[in-house]
Amino acid sequence: ETGVTQSPTHLIKTRGQQVTLRCSSQSGHNTVSWYQQALGQGPQFIFQYYREEENGRGNFPPRFSGLQFPNYSSELNVNALELDDSALYLCASSNFRQGREAKNIQYFGAGTRLSVL
Amino acid sequence: SQQGEEDPQALSIQEGENATMNCSYKTSINNLQWYRQNSGRGLVHLILIRSNEREKHSGRLRVTLDTSKKSSSLLITASRAADTASYFCASGSGTYKYIFGTGTRLKVLA
Repeated sequence: ETGVTQSPTHLIKTRGQQVTLRCSSQSGHNTVSWYQQALGQGPQFIFQYYREEENGRGNFPPRFSGLQFPNYSSELNVNALELDDSALYLCASSNFRQGREAKNIQYFGAGTRLSVL
Repeated sequence: SQQGEEDPQALSIQEGENATMNCSYKTSINNLQWYRQNSGRGLVHLILIRSNEREKHSGRLRVTLDTSKKSSSLLITASRAADTASYFCASGSGTYKYIFGTGTRLKVLA
C-alpha cells in the first residue's frame, strides 16, 4: 500500500461529457503528478502540481485540467471526452522536501479506469 | 512518441532463472528509475540510479546505466512466480517530468 488513493476505480462516460477524477496523496507529500496509461502502453505524463500550482505539463490539450488543494489532494478534469481518452489514469505523489534521491520517487495510486463510449 | 523504448516487449522464463530487460531513452537525464506494475494497477518504485552512477544493486535487482548510449538494463536474479508483472523504466531530467518506457511484460513460470 502506497497511501495514495484514487476514486472512482472505474468510470463509464459517453463522448462529449466531462469527468472529474480524484486523488488523495500520501501523508506529507506536497507534489502530485497525473499520468494517462493506454492499454499496453507506459504511463504518459499529463501534468504535475506543487503547492497548488501547475509545475509542468506534458503534451495534452487544455481540456485536461487539474487542481491541487491545500491538503494536497488533487483532481483531474477532462472536458469534451473523446474515445481516445479511454485509459487508466494514475496519480502519483512525491515530496520535494525530501533528500536528493527520495524526492524523485513517486508513489502511485491504483488508478481510475475510464471508458468513453 | 514521447515514450522511451523497452525490450523485449514480453519475456517468459522459468522460476529460478534470471530476467534481463533493457530500456532506451532519448534525452539527457539526471536519474532513471524502474517501476513494476501488476495487472494494470498502480506502479511500485523498485530502484533509482543517478546519472553519475553506472551500476546499482537492491536485493535481487541489479540496474546498470550507460549514459553514452542512453540505455539502462534491469536484471532480476533467481526469479520467482511473484515477479510476474510489467516493468517500466522512467527517465527523469528534472523533478517534475518522467518519461516512461513502453514496458516489458515478464511471466515467471513455476
